[in-house]
Amino acid sequence: RKEVEQDPGPFNVPEGATVAFNCTYSNSASQSFFWYRQDCRKEPKLLMSVYSSGNEDGRFTAQLNRASQYISLLIRDSKLSDSATYLCVVTLYSSASKIIFGSGTRLSIRP
Amino acid sequence: ETGVTQTPRHLVMGMTNKKSLKCEQHLGHNAMYWYKQSAKKPLELMFVYNFKEQTENNSVPSRFSPECPNSSHLFLHLHTLQPEDSALYLCASSQELGRNTIYFGEGSWLTVV
Repeated sequence: RKEVEQDPGPFNVPEGATVAFNCTYSNSASQSFFWYRQDCRKEPKLLMSVYSSGNEDGRFTAQLNRASQYISLLIRDSKLSDSATYLCVVTLYSSASKIIFGSGTRLSIRP
Repeated sequence: ETGVTQTPRHLVMGMTNKKSLKCEQHLGHNAMYWYKQSAKKPLELMFVYNFKEQTENNSVPSRFSPECPNSSHLFLHLHTLQPEDSALYLCASSQELGRNTIYFGEGSWLTVV
């Protein structure tokens, strides 16, 4: 089982729609969680951190479910500019701290 | 504006060439990373440095040789590469090893011919 798993997509949704995707992680000791966005042929950029109580940043809402070991990202009122690959990132603090990237979920917003 | 800068942005090299990729971070971070991203594939962690010391080598072939002279600079020396090594090479840094937000440079596009 992969340490971090994401549905690769693509998710193809119309502009204005709400879209959500999940990311599951295997290690219950994981401690920090992030969503990154990567545009085609660009570097990944931090979209938002994911806090235990859930957090919102404009049209984006991130949730953490420790019991089921997944995080989610919800995008409301999607824009064409939201088209990108969304990467889930989990960090694990242990004797060898690790930052683990998911393989990404591709999102395409159509007019 | 990015706190992590990589040069060159694009590099074409022959299989017998020796070249280097350079990364510099202006964020005062202690951990630096090299990642490889091949076309339509996920990020692959190559090397990790913490306070200039290598802490992880993710089974990377010896034709890739990293160097970290100080906490702000990271190099990736390339020698006798193969065409399948053509990829986007991303440098990144974080305040502490594996503990904080990781910031990426814009990457170096490498083509091996």
